[in-house]
Amino acid sequence: DSGVTQTPKHLITATGQRVTLRCSPRSGDLSVYWYQQSLDQGLQFLIQYYNGEERAKGNILERFSAQQFPDLHSELNLSSLELGDSALYFCASSVGWTSGSLETQYFGPGTRLLVL
Amino acid sequence: AQKVTQAQTEISVVEKEDVTLDCVYETRDTTYYLFWYKQPPSGELVFLIRRNSFDEQNEISGRYSWNFQKSTSSFNFTITASQVVDSAVYFCALDMNYGGSQGNLIFGKGTKLSVKP
Repeated sequence: DSGVTQTPKHLITATGQRVTLRCSPRSGDLSVYWYQQSLDQGLQFLIQYYNGEERAKGNILERFSAQQFPDLHSELNLSSLELGDSALYFCASSVGWTSGSLETQYFGPGTRLLVL
Repeated sequence: AQKVTQAQTEISVVEKEDVTLDCVYETRDTTYYLFWYKQPPSGELVFLIRRNSFDEQNEISGRYSWNFQKSTSSFNFTITASQVVDSAVYFCALDMNYGGSQGNLIFGKGTKLSVKP
């Protein structure tokens, strides 16, 4: 158990709908990262937040957005869903940088999204 | 551009065999971090090891060992005396943009390891 929690575990929805994925980081971790794992694209970085602020964006579609709240949990919002958005969405957390060293990202169990 | 290549798509071994998973990376950064993660059939991503570019000391931890060589941009992972529970997809990852975007990972495509009894 990494200490990162994600809800829900599974989500089935229809095209055109909007869903929200939730992530609670490990205690003490300030950074939250979202990744998408699909069969054709593999594991791809989407977006990173640090202590409530967006820090970096990867291959995140404009239909997707995220935020990190004051209690450090994060939500990934996916809207106007398409069949191709079906994937496993991971959240990871880390403390960020300590003493000039990058700390490890620990991953949650993922949310499996199926768009029908 | 940063890139991680895992040339082995699938490997199948018999229990107790040793197996090495290859990882080759590309980066223009002089300081960077490399990781190995394991994804068992249950789907979660489990952290195995982290290495930074200025620490080329190789390590052995139980049945796992790592061989990091900057000269060949390789970061290979070996399982000694493999077990059925080692069956999983193994991902090599590179931290992107040291000092910039702070640790966003670029992953290889993964190597699926099957250990048969």
